[in-house]
Amino acid sequence: GNSVTQMEGPVTLSEEAFLTINCTYTATGYPSLFWYVQYPGEGLQLLLKATKADDKGSNKGFEATYRKETTSFHLEKGSVQVSDSAVYFCALRSLQAGTALIFGKGTTLSVSS
Amino acid sequence: GAVVSQHPSWVICKSGTSVKIECRSLDFQATTMFWYRQFPKQSLMLMATSNEGSKATYEQGVEKDKFLINHASLTLSTLTVTSAHPEDSSFYICSARRQGQETQYFGPGTRLLVL
Repeated sequence: GNSVTQMEGPVTLSEEAFLTINCTYTATGYPSLFWYVQYPGEGLQLLLKATKADDKGSNKGFEATYRKETTSFHLEKGSVQVSDSAVYFCALRSLQAGTALIFGKGTTLSVSS
Repeated sequence: GAVVSQHPSWVICKSGTSVKIECRSLDFQATTMFWYRQFPKQSLMLMATSNEGSKATYEQGVEKDKFLINHASLTLSTLTVTSAHPEDSSFYICSARRQGQETQYFGPGTRLLVL
């Protein structure tokens, strides 16, 4: 079946450090891939997405590239800020599975100044 | 933007009672709404998908008589946890999607504690 695996947290970084949060997936067909972010006390927000192999999604300095050969969609940011502290969820949507999103467990990022 | 609200944000109830959670799309019409459940340090698990004016489609293992979903209008869906038990304690999250669009907009969640 379809599933998403992302690295366990929490991830603790100093401001301006480089961030990588790993995400790999298992899916039939060609899924769309997403990163969602949940700030404290708020709902999940779409951070970026990619709909086909080799696409790069980017937003707010975050990037992720859809790698079909490694079934991965790792999230990266070159220089994190305190305001990036949140929970990050990797997700996929497979057309074969309808419109439902399948989420990873989430990775908590804590950035200190 | 697209804003989704949930009410209440936090509810405590006695075992055996029923609890209704509302999900509203505040500035757009949501033809489809989704209900998720999240356990501590776990991923969001889809419970059901509801389309306005039709019966909800439940995921395998989710009891439809236990979790009643109603999507009576294009801006409101409700989830009723009937005869709640302590094992129903969880974080319930809804999301809404415009017709023809892929992006889901999420509510802030409702934390349910059943004593």
